[in-house]
Amino acid sequence: DAGVIQSPRHEVTEMGQEVTLRCKPISGHNSLFWYRQTMMRGLELLIYFNNNVPIDDSGMPEDRFSAKMPNASFSTLKIQPSEPRDSAVYFCASSPGRKQYFGPGTRLTVT
Amino acid sequence: GENVEQHPSTLSVQEGDSAVIKCTYSDSASNYFPWYKQELGKGPQLIIDIRSNVGEKKDQRIAVTLNKTAKHFSLHITETQPEDSAVYFCAASIGSGDYKLSFGAGTTVTVRA
Repeated sequence: DAGVIQSPRHEVTEMGQEVTLRCKPISGHNSLFWYRQTMMRGLELLIYFNNNVPIDDSGMPEDRFSAKMPNASFSTLKIQPSEPRDSAVYFCASSPGRKQYFGPGTRLTVT
Repeated sequence: GENVEQHPSTLSVQEGDSAVIKCTYSDSASNYFPWYKQELGKGPQLIIDIRSNVGEKKDQRIAVTLNKTAKHFSLHITETQPEDSAVYFCAASIGSGDYKLSFGAGTTVTVRA
């Protein structure tokens, strides 16, 4: 079975540019989570969706961050404009209930 | 919100020895406790989980114990092997329709051959 798919795997962009990260959850999972991982702050939950509806976005750091889930098989996390402090690994995870299954992550570098 | 503390931050063990990682949580309403293993360049992988109505759970060489009264839970890895080297994260969730996980800071485990 295919796991959670994320693209791109690596993204290097310049400060001020728009960045879009993509996620395809495991088929049949009804919850989707976006996390950010840094050395300083560890794993942080940014936002999560249940049945395509955003339930909790309290972890989204600023208005520069936005996330959408237009259907059950696709979600995006957008940063506009990007800043160097956004450099991190961004993970998407999906879940049929309690157990969360993580994707391979997108390593974002903002110069 | 839930606060999860994890110790130690690094752990070096000789191959064949056991490794123990401990976590404490703050919210007594937490009732689901998963453990994740993250290898370099990969996403966290769920390796074992336990619910609050269970005190211990085993899966081959790994086991998790839960003490609800003390609000702490532990991961035990026996007969460690080089492939057990990774970063391990504990987490806690309140549940009841809210499946957010609060993660510990992680433990880097190194198994020496």
